[in-house]
Amino acid sequence: GDQVEQSPSALSLHEGTGSALRCNFTTTMRAVQWFRKNSRGSLINLFYLASGTKENGRLKSAFDSKERYSTLHIRDAQLEDSGTYFCAADMSNYNVLYFGSGTKLTVEP
Amino acid sequence: EAAVTQSPRNKVAVTGGKVTLSCNQTNNHNNMYWYRQDTGHGLRLIHYSYGAGSTEKGDIPDGYKASRPSQENFSLILELATPSQTSVYFCASGEIGGQDTQYFGPGTRLLVL
Repeated sequence: GDQVEQSPSALSLHEGTGSALRCNFTTTMRAVQWFRKNSRGSLINLFYLASGTKENGRLKSAFDSKERYSTLHIRDAQLEDSGTYFCAADMSNYNVLYFGSGTKLTVEP
Repeated sequence: EAAVTQSPRNKVAVTGGKVTLSCNQTNNHNNMYWYRQDTGHGLRLIHYSYGAGSTEKGDIPDGYKASRPSQENFSLILELATPSQTSVYFCASGEIGGQDTQYFGPGTRLLVL
């Protein structure tokens, strides 16, 4: 089902700028995970959040279970940040993830 | 960090043929998962497993079977492959609850002609 709505579907940034990706959930989620798919097609774990915020370098993610959304902020974008980003929501105690449709990020010089 | 490997990395199959995708994880995780990733759909769950001998249907199980013969191995089986099953398939492993994330393999590109 469409438990996870991710936006935007595509995003273009100039180097050094920033923006935010967002996922809305149709029901209460236990946790959220963010991934980046690199040019080789592999999925890289970025964040796992059960609540609050986490920051790693130029990336910061927030999750509000009550308000049913999560965000991924990218600042000072670099060319190597280009790729497709996915959020995934954990609905159950069995760690089964429901994925958004992805955001294709292109960082331009 | 968990190590999840998949084989083959690329596969070309004919319609009606049998395809087996293999996944191996070395971190002793109980749970394993098979997803397919298609443009516009993100990743969708096909089958998953809670441990050796267990297989559960995900969101899109039709046309696929799964097998978990051991803690380390989880296979996805296409008994009669169809062109609509052309996709990139990802295997993942993880633990129940806690702060563990799911750890993904590198993916398998399958082309069904």
